[in-house]
Amino acid sequence: KAGVTQTPRYLIKTRGQQVTLSCSPISGHRSVSWYQQTPGQGLQFLFEYFSETQRNKGNFPGRFSGRQFSNSRSEMNVSTLELGDSALYLCASSLGTASNSPLHFGNGTRLTVT
Amino acid sequence: QQQVKQSPQSLIVQKGGISIINCAYENTAFDYFPWYQQFPGKGPALLIAIRPDVSEKKEGRFTISFNKSAKQFSLHIMDSQPGDSATYFCAPNTNAGKSTFGDGTTLTVKP
Repeated sequence: KAGVTQTPRYLIKTRGQQVTLSCSPISGHRSVSWYQQTPGQGLQFLFEYFSETQRNKGNFPGRFSGRQFSNSRSEMNVSTLELGDSALYLCASSLGTASNSPLHFGNGTRLTVT
Repeated sequence: QQQVKQSPQSLIVQKGGISIINCAYENTAFDYFPWYQQFPGKGPALLIAIRPDVSEKKEGRFTISFNKSAKQFSLHIMDSQPGDSATYFCAPNTNAGKSTFGDGTTLTVKP
């Protein structure tokens, strides 16, 4: 089974621009979660989608948004980029039907905002 | 409110030694207690997990000990190897589908 695929692997953007990141989950997984990882803040939960509906949301500003398509693929969008948005963005998929559904992570998209 | 407190922040162990990482939590609704392992340039990967109805689970050199009354669980790595050098995260979750990650522990195993 193919793992979680995130594209692109690296992105360099300028302050004020917007960016869209993509995540393809493991086949059969209906839950997709997004995390921001920085050296200072660790892994911060952004949001989780299950069957195209946002089920959980972290404490991030409205500039961060996401969506999930009918095939479970997910996109994350960040508008009006700020320098502090530079981070590794990780996507994780799971069956999502019970608490003991482990997360399967992709290798992330490294976003640099200049 | 910091729901999950992981310690230590970093750990250096000699090859063959025991590595112990601890995780304390506040939310009594957590009912699944996994540990994830992350190597540089990779996403975290599930290492081992436990449900609250057991106090210990062992998989090879890795053991989780769970203390429900103290709201703590720990990861023990026996016979630590240089290949175990990585960052480890505890990430308890609830049946609402949201995992809360600890701040991570960077383990270095010296040959």
